[in-house]
Amino acid sequence: EAGVTQSPTHLIKTRGQQATLRCSPISGHTSVYWYQQALGLGLQFLLWYDEGEERNRGNFPPRFSGRQFPNYSSELNVNALELEDSALYLCASSHGRGAQEKLFFGSGTQLSVL
Amino acid sequence: AQSVTQLDSQVPVFEEAPVELRCNYSSSVSVYLFWYVQYPNQGLQLLLKYLSGSTLVKGINGFEAEFNKSQTSFHLRKPSVHISDTAEYFCAVSDSVQGGKLIFGQGTELSVKP
Repeated sequence: EAGVTQSPTHLIKTRGQQATLRCSPISGHTSVYWYQQALGLGLQFLLWYDEGEERNRGNFPPRFSGRQFPNYSSELNVNALELEDSALYLCASSHGRGAQEKLFFGSGTQLSVL
Repeated sequence: AQSVTQLDSQVPVFEEAPVELRCNYSSSVSVYLFWYVQYPNQGLQLLLKYLSGSTLVKGINGFEAEFNKSQTSFHLRKPSVHISDTAEYFCAVSDSVQGGKLIFGQGTELSVKP
């Protein structure tokens, strides 16, 4: 069984540009979560999608947005990139939407903003 | 609002010694508690979780954790660590109100030395 896959592995952008990160969940999983792991800041919750709908959003500005497609894959878009957006972005998926669900994580996209 | 505090950012320990990684949480509702591990250059994987029932939870790789409601703690323990346990460990909390959204602590870097 394939795990959660994220692309690209690394992404280098300059300040002001837009970045698009992609995530494919495990087959059969309907929930997708996005987290930002910045150096020294732990994992910060960004977004949660389930069945194509945004279910919850973390304390991030509106330039962080995303969507979930009918096949449950997801895209995270970051507009007007700032230097502090440099981080590892992790995607996770789960079979259901309950709070007790186990999350399966991808290996992440390392975004560097120059 | 929920929060998670991991009391130690780094824990150095010698091989075969016991280890305890400390985690405290705050929440106004009943919670579910998790420990995830992140090996270098990889995503996170679930070690163990507490949903209800017995307060002592056993996980993979010989780890266990004890839920203490009165002290709002969920400390992770292993009686004898191996070099391969070197990784970053994250405590996380969710609740039935927030659904699948996990709030993570800042992480504890466990370094096992020979």
